[in-house]
Amino acid sequence: QVQLVESGGGLVKPGGSLRLSCAASGFTFSDYQMTWIRQAPGKGLEWLSHINYSGSTTYYADSVKGRFTISRDNAKNSLYLQMNSLGAEDTAVYYCAREFVVAPAGYFDYWGQGTLVTVSS
Amino acid sequence: QSVVTQPPSASGTAGQRVTISCSGTSSNIGSNYVYWFQQLPGTAPKLVIYRNNQRPSGVPDRFSGSKSGTSASLAISGLRSEDEADYYCATWDDSLSGLVFGTGTKVTVL
Repeated sequence: QVQLVESGGGLVKPGGSLRLSCAASGFTFSDYQMTWIRQAPGKGLEWLSHINYSGSTTYYADSVKGRFTISRDNAKNSLYLQMNSLGAEDTAVYYCAREFVVAPAGYFDYWGQGTLVTVSS
Repeated sequence: QSVVTQPPSASGTAGQRVTISCSGTSSNIGSNYVYWFQQLPGTAPKLVIYRNNQRPSGVPDRFSGSKSGTSASLAISGLRSEDEADYYCATWDDSLSGLVFGTGTKVTVL
C-alpha cells in the first residue's frame, strides 16, 4: 500500500536551517509529482512547493520562495525540503503529499502523517 | 490571508444535509479544478472530492461536489457523527502560479 513517512522535524532556533525528508513506498515514486504542505498550530493548510516526477520543474509559494528548496532522489524513493532562514512563522506540521496528475492542481491522493517543526529560541 | 474563502463553520443534526461554499476568483476556481479535503482531528487531510465533483474510491456517496463560475460547494447528505471534521477546498491559481487552499470550514454534528 502507498505510504509516505516524513522525518527531520524538531526544534530549531530562529535563523536556523532544517532538512525534511519524506520516504515513499508502495508505488513507483519516479512516476509521480510530489508536494509539501504545512499547517501552523490551530490554522489552515498552506501549500508550499511542488516538484515534478524528474525534479526538473518546481513551484514555490511566495512565503517560502528563496528560503526553501524542494528536491527528490528517485533512486532512494525520497522527497526533501531544505528550509533555511527559519522564523517563528514557519512553526507548523509539515506534510508531504503525492500529486496524482502531472501539473500542480491539488489532486493530493495520499498524504504522510506529518512532522512537526518548531522554531523557537 | 487566502484568496479562496470558506465559511468558518457549518453544522447540522444527524441525517441532515450540510453545504460548504468555497469562493474564489476567475484566476483560480473560475479556471481550474477544485479539490476537497476532510481533516479529522489530529490526522492528515484526506481527499474526498477531486476535479470538482468526482469521488475517490471509498468515499461515501453522501459526499458530493459542484462548481459554478468562481464558486464551488461540498455537500454532505445524511450527516453522521464521523463527518465532524475540518473541510478545505483547494485549487490552482494562475495569477499566483501557486496552489491555494480555502480558509477551511469546521463541520459540527449537533
